[in-house]
Amino acid sequence: QKEVEQDPGPLSVPEGAIVSLNCTYSNSAFQYFMWYRQYSRKGPELLMYTYSSGNKEDGRFTAQVDKSSKYISLFIRDSQPSDSATYLCAMRPTGGFKTIFGAGTRLFVKA
Amino acid sequence: DSGVTQTPKHLITATGQRVTLRCSPRSGDLSVYWYQQSLDQGLQFLIQYYNGEERAKGNILERFSAQQFPDLHSELNLSSLELGDSALYFCASRTSGDNSPLHFGNGTRLTVT
Repeated sequence: QKEVEQDPGPLSVPEGAIVSLNCTYSNSAFQYFMWYRQYSRKGPELLMYTYSSGNKEDGRFTAQVDKSSKYISLFIRDSQPSDSATYLCAMRPTGGFKTIFGAGTRLFVKA
Repeated sequence: DSGVTQTPKHLITATGQRVTLRCSPRSGDLSVYWYQQSLDQGLQFLIQYYNGEERAKGNILERFSAQQFPDLHSELNLSSLELGDSALYFCASRTSGDNSPLHFGNGTRLTVT
């Protein structure tokens, strides 16, 4: 079993839809949670960075962490065609050197 | 722009050859990480350096090695290349302390023919 599970998709939605992306994990030591966006042939770009449980909002993006369920989510409101990319969840324990990534979910937003 | 610079962008070489990938971290970042991304494996951690010293190793093959120089740039050396080594290789850096995420460069696309 992988430490971080993420459905690879693809996920296709119409423009303006609310998108929900999710990851589950098995290591209860993970404390730092990240979401990255990766466009084709580019490096992963940091979108959201949260510590422990709770919500964080930044513009159209909201990240949620539920440590009791070992489940994290990224919501994208009013999705745009420019949001079409691969979204990677990532996490790391306190004091840990290694950041573990999910497989990434490919998102397509249709105009 | 993340501030992490990787060169070259593309590399095409033959099996059995050796190549060197270069990374300059963000200004002030002491930690450099190398990741491999292939279609079927996702982002796989290879190795981490902190201020010139190796800190952690992941799924790095013995044919691969890395180092970080006094000016903090890092090089990843891949030798005896095989077709299966074709992938995107990313470098990432972050500042010291727990509360800092990774920032990635745009990668080097390696094609082994």
